[in-house]
Amino acid sequence: AAGVIQSPRHLIKEKRETATLKCYPIPRHDTVYWYQQGPGQDPQFLISFYEKMQSDKGSIPDRFSAQQFSDYHSELNMSSLELGDSALYFCASNEGPRGNEQFFGPGTRLTVL
Amino acid sequence: QKEVEQNSGPLSVPEGAIASLNCTYSDRGSQSFFWYRQYSGKSPELIMSIYSNGDKEDGRFTAQLNKASQYVSLLIRDSQPSDSATYLCAVNGNNRLAFGKGNQVVVIP
Repeated sequence: AAGVIQSPRHLIKEKRETATLKCYPIPRHDTVYWYQQGPGQDPQFLISFYEKMQSDKGSIPDRFSAQQFSDYHSELNMSSLELGDSALYFCASNEGPRGNEQFFGPGTRLTVL
Repeated sequence: QKEVEQNSGPLSVPEGAIASLNCTYSDRGSQSFFWYRQYSGKSPELIMSIYSNGDKEDGRFTAQLNKASQYVSLLIRDSQPSDSATYLCAVNGNNRLAFGKGNQVVVIP
């Protein structure tokens, strides 16, 4: 079965640079979620989209923005990167605004030097 | 207080034994509960979902939910070395998942 696709899988950036992470949900899934997982931490919810509209916002820094496109893929844009942004970034998807079960992609490992 | 609590430290179990994991949550209005398995450096993998009080069995996994006590548990029967991973309890609140810190399980051959 098709899974969530994320790109790139690994990304190395310098401080103050920008980064763009992409997420392609499971076919027919219209809701996308972004989570950040720091070393030794549990995943923290950042933001979600349903039908191309932001549906919920969590602990996402103002330096980050995201959007969902007409084909339901989503992009997380991160600017003025800081060392503390180094983490695994996961995208998850499900169907409908109350789809409950969320299926995670393989993640993007971001390293900020 | 964290929304989802998993307080047990690493759990070592002999191969073939039962591993028991526990989780409590603070939002009494929560309706959906999940267990994810996460191998080091990999993404969380959904292994169980439970929505109503009682037990739910899927293969070697059994989830138990007690909403009155705000308590969720996971049993892994006939533990295998491949079950060695971190198990994350997650609660769906307002359609976002809140995770516990996870329990590391080590199955000893």
